[in-house]
Amino acid sequence: AQSVTQLGSHVSVSEGALVLLRCNYSSSVPPYLFWYVQYPNQGLQLLLKYTSAATLVKGINGFEAEFKKSETSFHLTKPSAHMSDAAEYFCAVSDHQAGTALIFGKGTTLSVSS
Amino acid sequence: KAGVTQTPRYLIKTRGQQVTLSCSPISGHRSVSWYQQTPGQGLQFLFEYFSETQRNKGNFPGRFSGRQFSNSRSEMNVSTLELGDSALYLCASSLAEGLAGRNEQFFGPGTRLTVL
Repeated sequence: AQSVTQLGSHVSVSEGALVLLRCNYSSSVPPYLFWYVQYPNQGLQLLLKYTSAATLVKGINGFEAEFKKSETSFHLTKPSAHMSDAAEYFCAVSDHQAGTALIFGKGTTLSVSS
Repeated sequence: KAGVTQTPRYLIKTRGQQVTLSCSPISGHRSVSWYQQTPGQGLQFLFEYFSETQRNKGNFPGRFSGRQFSNSRSEMNVSTLELGDSALYLCASSLAEGLAGRNEQFFGPGTRLTVL
């Protein structure tokens, strides 16, 4: 069965610092991978997705993620954190048999201090 | 274009009752999926509907059911509510059924269900 592990339930950075949110997946075949962001009292918004076209994926709001098959990782990064980036971030995976069903990690809460 | 709407946004029920949640997808979207979000279990897939048919189902008991109407609107029902059903229920719509990688899912704000 597919699974996703997000290392660190809470990450704190200073404004302007590098953001690194970690995600590892388990899959027997190359999966589709996603990062979503959730702001308080809101639904999920897609930041970016990997669908095997390119290993470095650029998303919205300056975020990007790199697919590393050898490490089964899909870490999310942003060079310079902004206060508005404070939110909860979810990594998700889907397999080719499961239609639209997404399997989510437990989430990482990002705090940004001034 | 309006986003995914879910009603009601907040709901309080007591154990043993049943509840119906509603989801209106983005205009033109024909696939609707439902997820349950809890602090303990995180986000879990409930089911997916396309063309009024359930296409995929997660690992939830039969108390959880859903349906989709001809206009693509969807409802989910939970019967005999338990305390553990307290959660944020999220609905997501996409243009078509099929692989998540090819059909971006747009999420609604969710319905916060509290079971007392």
